[in-house]
Amino acid sequence: NAGVTQTPKFRVLKTGQSMTLLCAQDMNHEYMYWYRQDPGMGLRLIHYSVGEGTTAKGEVPDGYNVSRLKKQNFLLGLESAAPSQTSVYFCASRAASSYNEQFFGPGTRLTVL
Amino acid sequence: KQEVTQIPAALSVPEGENLVLNCSFTDSAIYNLQWFRQDPGKGLTSLLLIQSSQREQTSGRLNASLDKSSGRSTLYIAASQPGDSATYLCAANGQNFVFGPGTRLSVLP
Repeated sequence: NAGVTQTPKFRVLKTGQSMTLLCAQDMNHEYMYWYRQDPGMGLRLIHYSVGEGTTAKGEVPDGYNVSRLKKQNFLLGLESAAPSQTSVYFCASRAASSYNEQFFGPGTRLTVL
Repeated sequence: KQEVTQIPAALSVPEGENLVLNCSFTDSAIYNLQWFRQDPGKGLTSLLLIQSSQREQTSGRLNASLDKSSGRSTLYIAASQPGDSATYLCAANGQNFVFGPGTRLSVLP
């Protein structure tokens, strides 16, 4: 039982490049989330999904796209990376129902030059 | 819009002390509140989850309380150890989880 895993762990991009971050969970959770963590800003919600084939915007969605084609995977895409997207990205999941706790992945550290 | 704050921002204590970390939230319409620990360069580890109908949750040396009406939660750490050094985050769960900025704890040997 690996829990929540994220790929890759580190990445350096040049401005304008694109990339996809992969989140996978093996707990059969319905809900999945993408956050970014920046110094002094805490964790902020980018996008989330309440089930396969569904996605919704969070607090800071601009510049990102997401897809949830399979229940166990949640992809975060950057179409044209900007230095402001330099951050640590965390994925989380939880079982359906608002009363359940969140479980986090180890994070992806992204630097955009 | 839910806003979550944590006091203090940083705390340094000698080993063995009991300590309290504070979390405040502006919207009391929450399902639960979750406390996390984050070590430098690592992900978040869940410590305790308190449902809105509960007053307290305990796990080992940790005790978390919730007063929904006043918008406050506290995390009590008993007999602190150097291994407790980390950043502690609280998150209030309404429509989604909203996180506080964290309290950075250092426990000195």
